[in-house]
Amino acid sequence: DGGITQSPKYLFRKEGQNVTLSCEQNLNHDAMYWYRQDPGQGLRLIYYSQIVNDFQKGDIAEGYSVSREKKESFPLTVTSAQKNPTAFYLCASSMDDRGLSFALHFGNGTRLTVT
Amino acid sequence: QKEVEQNSGPLSVPEGAIASLNCTYSDRGSQSFFWYRQYSGKSPELIMFIYSNGDKEDGRFTAQLNKASQYVSLLIRDSQPSDSATYLCAVSLRGAQKLVFGQGTRLTINP
Repeated sequence: DGGITQSPKYLFRKEGQNVTLSCEQNLNHDAMYWYRQDPGQGLRLIYYSQIVNDFQKGDIAEGYSVSREKKESFPLTVTSAQKNPTAFYLCASSMDDRGLSFALHFGNGTRLTVT
Repeated sequence: QKEVEQNSGPLSVPEGAIASLNCTYSDRGSQSFFWYRQYSGKSPELIMFIYSNGDKEDGRFTAQLNKASQYVSLLIRDSQPSDSATYLCAVSLRGAQKLVFGQGTRLTINP
């Protein structure tokens, strides 16, 4: 089945540690995105990538880093510089990010808890 | 002013009635408009999208777009308890290859 796989589903880390969230898609989509969601809030864009080896900062990129070495993969690293890392992280991909058919397909999310 | 605004609710509607969800956006050049449904603890799923002024119907769902008023809405007819969820409005901004989301409206359908 085609889709987006995020792993792990739940992740627990101690404060001061970097952690990497995995996102893999087999939809052959060019564009991939990372969003963060806090309780009772909408989604805020962290980073996005329209093509391999290229990515752009979103609205809340500070304390995060990404890479896009393969079309299928867009891992997100939450660094120790991120002040409030505990959140629900959603990875998404899009088939056509330049035309009107700009619909995002989401993975199941990773719930990160930092103590 | 937020780029995309929704009433966070909660909005409570009796089963079988019409649920009306509203969203306003600030960028007049916005091109595409999406409604996502998100159940508690789950990821958002796309239920409707609209590009042109007017109404677009899909089953029990109708999306309405008024670009002059910078307003997009979602109507859910014959509401069912399974429609209870948070509904997120998302807008693609002019010149930006990304979606901006509202904070979501929590909808509860009462049996």
